[in-house]
Amino acid sequence: DIQMTQSPSSLSASVGDSVTIICRAGQRISFYLNWYQQKPGRAPKVLIYGASTLHSGVPSRFSGSGSGTNFTLTISNLQPEDSATYHCQQSYSTPPMYTFGQGTKLEI
Amino acid sequence: EVQLVESGGGLVQPGGSLRLSCAASGFTVNSHYMTWVRQAPGKGLEWVSVIYDSGSTNYADSVKGRFTFSRDNSKNTLYLQMTSLRAEDTAVYYCAKVSAILKGAIDYWGQGALVTVSS
Repeated sequence: DIQMTQSPSSLSASVGDSVTIICRAGQRISFYLNWYQQKPGRAPKVLIYGASTLHSGVPSRFSGSGSGTNFTLTISNLQPEDSATYHCQQSYSTPPMYTFGQGTKLEI
Repeated sequence: EVQLVESGGGLVQPGGSLRLSCAASGFTVNSHYMTWVRQAPGKGLEWVSVIYDSGSTNYADSVKGRFTFSRDNSKNTLYLQMTSLRAEDTAVYYCAKVSAILKGAIDYWGQGALVTVSS
């Protein structure tokens, strides 16, 4: 099984700041890394897929990078509505096993 | 419009069984990979199982041998049969659609069904 490790587990920032969340895979997963945003009591929503492609409708202040084992999610110009938990997920495994990281709670 | 609606959650005793249903609309479930993801209270997301367009399935080690993922194509509905339930299976269970176009990312989620395993 491919293990996914996220850091930090939580962070606090101010409106207008930029933050970076790291996700590391236990083995190389090419660019099959996805990022989700989840607000309390709600299902997650995909932000970025394929490590760096912004999903339709997602603000451009969100960006993703990386390949292989190391990936980052960067949120620039933080807004109050960005308070949420962010999850990374790999979709590389064959047969598919869509492992998630532990999540990062962002407080604005 | 794509919709996924879960039902069947509830309180069950340890060792008991429960079946979750997920009614899909706006697309055909047997044309896509579909998956169950769960989230224990205050915890992160845990992938549970996937059913391929072919009908084959795969499971996380934590549920293998206890959970069965199936579908009824005529009803466009998915099922997660859960047996030998344990306290650690307590979670909100999400039914979700995997997108091949999005390189395996999940593009649609249900609202979630709460399963509580407790005596």
